[in-house]
Amino acid sequence: DAKTTQPPSMDCAEGRAANLPCNHSTISGNEYVYWYRQIHSQGPQYIIHGLKNNETNEMASLIITEDRKSSTLILPHATLRDTAVYYCIVRVNNEKLTFGTGTRLTIIP
Amino acid sequence: GAVVSQHPSRVICKSGTSVKIECRSLDFQATTMFWYRQFPKQSLMLMATSNEGSKATYEQGVEKDKFLINHASLTLSTLTVTSAHPEDSSFYICSARFPGVVTSPLHFGNGTRLTVT
Repeated sequence: DAKTTQPPSMDCAEGRAANLPCNHSTISGNEYVYWYRQIHSQGPQYIIHGLKNNETNEMASLIITEDRKSSTLILPHATLRDTAVYYCIVRVNNEKLTFGTGTRLTIIP
Repeated sequence: GAVVSQHPSRVICKSGTSVKIECRSLDFQATTMFWYRQFPKQSLMLMATSNEGSKATYEQGVEKDKFLINHASLTLSTLTVTSAHPEDSSFYICSARFPGVVTSPLHFGNGTRLTVT
């Protein structure tokens, strides 16, 4: 699995867009980028995933650079409930996901 | 709504006793489920892969005789922590994915917080 690098923590003002970066410079051609988040004392929640095209769903947008060496998760209008640890994971599939340390996102009122 | 249900959400047990945690997939059949453990302020660590109808595969360093996994049906996997000790106190989380496409996302239960006194 390709290694990912995320900032350990970020703050974002409520109502603003939260942009969470992830570097995955060793990603291979068949590896997907997955994003999950974990709200305190809960199980992780799937957010979005993509291979090379940008993706959008009801929760977020995923922007993957053309060379696929990095990506950004965008929460368009952050709310206090978006405070969580966000994990960027690069894998061929969803078998045996390995979680890194993620980014602790704090939404500021 | 939740697609993976985990029970119980919290359990306290005495040292030396065994505890069973259930993980159910709701409205879908999961031939494979995954069990994770999370210590305070740490990330999730994969413990084992639960395979319906066959033996679980354990990650390196996880004692299979201590953490018994049974996946007797397509919607239920159980993790039994045998002879629990205080160092087994942790947050245990299971996950499953919809069948068919290996790239489909994992769905996680809400975890079980085990406290061994």
